Amino acid sequence: AQTVTQSQPEMSVQEAETVTLSCTYDTSESDYYLFWYKQPPSRQMILVIRQEAYKQQNATENRFSVNFQKAAKSFSLKISDSQLGDAAMYFCAYRSPTGGGADGLTFGKGTHLIIQP
Amino acid sequence: DTGVSQNPRHKITKRGQNVTFRCDPISEHNRLYWYRQTLGQGPEFLTYFQNEAQLEKSRLLSDRFSAERPKGSFSTLEIQRTEQGDSAMYLCASSLTETGNSPLHFGNGTRLTVT
Repeated sequence: AQTVTQSQPEMSVQEAETVTLSCTYDTSESDYYLFWYKQPPSRQMILVIRQEAYKQQNATENRFSVNFQKAAKSFSLKISDSQLGDAAMYFCAYRSPTGGGADGLTFGKGTHLIIQP
Repeated sequence: DTGVSQNPRHKITKRGQNVTFRCDPISEHNRLYWYRQTLGQGPEFLTYFQNEAQLEKSRLLSDRFSAERPKGSFSTLEIQRTEQGDSAMYLCASSLTETGNSPLHFGNGTRLTVT
């Protein structure tokens, strides 16, 4: 079974600065998908960014980018120009190619991101 | 796209009572997932449907839990004889295709408190 580890329970960053959230995973599969989801307080979980393991190029979505290191099984999220609205729990998630069931989406425990004004 | 809708948002019940939650997925999504999230943890998979067929259930889903998705549209999750350990946020998610790249779209969740 796959496991996802987020070693930073909480991170704090000054507004407009850059922060990197760490994620490592364990899998025996060669092809898979990785996601970062954001969950603001009392609000629904939304997709931030996704990465296909077969792609070497790191995904980027506006201020959000990832550093995907397949050999190291590492998938960190970089948030540039942090904004107050970025404050939330961030979850790293792994999904197998079949996309179903328990092998479908495995989440880490999350990192609580605090934005200091 | 009206998003995934879950009702109720909050449910407080006494131990031993039965509760039922409802999830309305995005209309064209054929996959529907139920997850449970406790405080300080990431969501944990409970079960999922491909259209109306329930294809997999987690070991977390005890005999007191049952889920249905009649006609492949909305889904219900029922918990019988609730216990305090059932207190959690229950999340529903849906996705469009079977490929792993299709992201899950989550609802706002139903927060259950068992007293």
